[in-house]
Amino acid sequence: DQQVKQNSPSLSVQEGRISILNCDYTNSMFDYFLWYKKYPAEGPTFLISISSIKDKNEDGRFTVFLNKSAKHLSLHIVPSQPGDSAVYFCAATGWAGNQFYFGTGTSLTVIP
Amino acid sequence: DAGVTQSPTHLIKTRGQQVTLRCSPISGHKSVSWYQQVLGQGPQFIFQYYEKEERGRGNFPDRFSARQFPNYSSELNVNALLLGDSALYLCASSPGQSNEKLLFGSGTQLSVL
Repeated sequence: DQQVKQNSPSLSVQEGRISILNCDYTNSMFDYFLWYKKYPAEGPTFLISISSIKDKNEDGRFTVFLNKSAKHLSLHIVPSQPGDSAVYFCAATGWAGNQFYFGTGTSLTVIP
Repeated sequence: DAGVTQSPTHLIKTRGQQVTLRCSPISGHKSVSWYQQVLGQGPQFIFQYYEKEERGRGNFPDRFSARQFPNYSSELNVNALLLGDSALYLCASSPGQSNEKLLFGSGTQLSVL
């Protein structure tokens, strides 16, 4: 049972435009959410996180939005750069925080 | 500062064999977690160890086992390998036990023939 879902396997965006990656979850006990970026043959790299007490968190070009009522989070990248081309995973965990549930990933391609 | 290091980077085994994967966490981190990533899927939780004790176990058979040493490094063992065990095995560390970002190593790519 997939508790974290990324329904878009791929996304293409022009350089300089906004990239929006979406993630849905089913478990209402999740209270901490993260985004990771992954290049082939490398481990995931942490990008940004948000706890359930917030609805927005920014870090440079990256902003994560959390809509708890809809059980939905999104990652905005503005402006998108070719180096952002990678697979992006969202992850979630509950109060125990010892097990993270990952989505299946969205492959982002930023076209120069 | 050194990140999470894993060894070996690649491994080829045959069905029925046993394998041991190794992980050294970031200095000062006491928690190590293991994840399996099959091609086209997201990482799946296998184990978490904190202060040398198992604190969580995912939905994996008993062929999978792990331990954490006094220096907080960790080993993942898989016995009686199956073709379906072919995957990227990721180790992640964090300072404490819960609700902190996981920092991943580059993984061990295991191929079972």
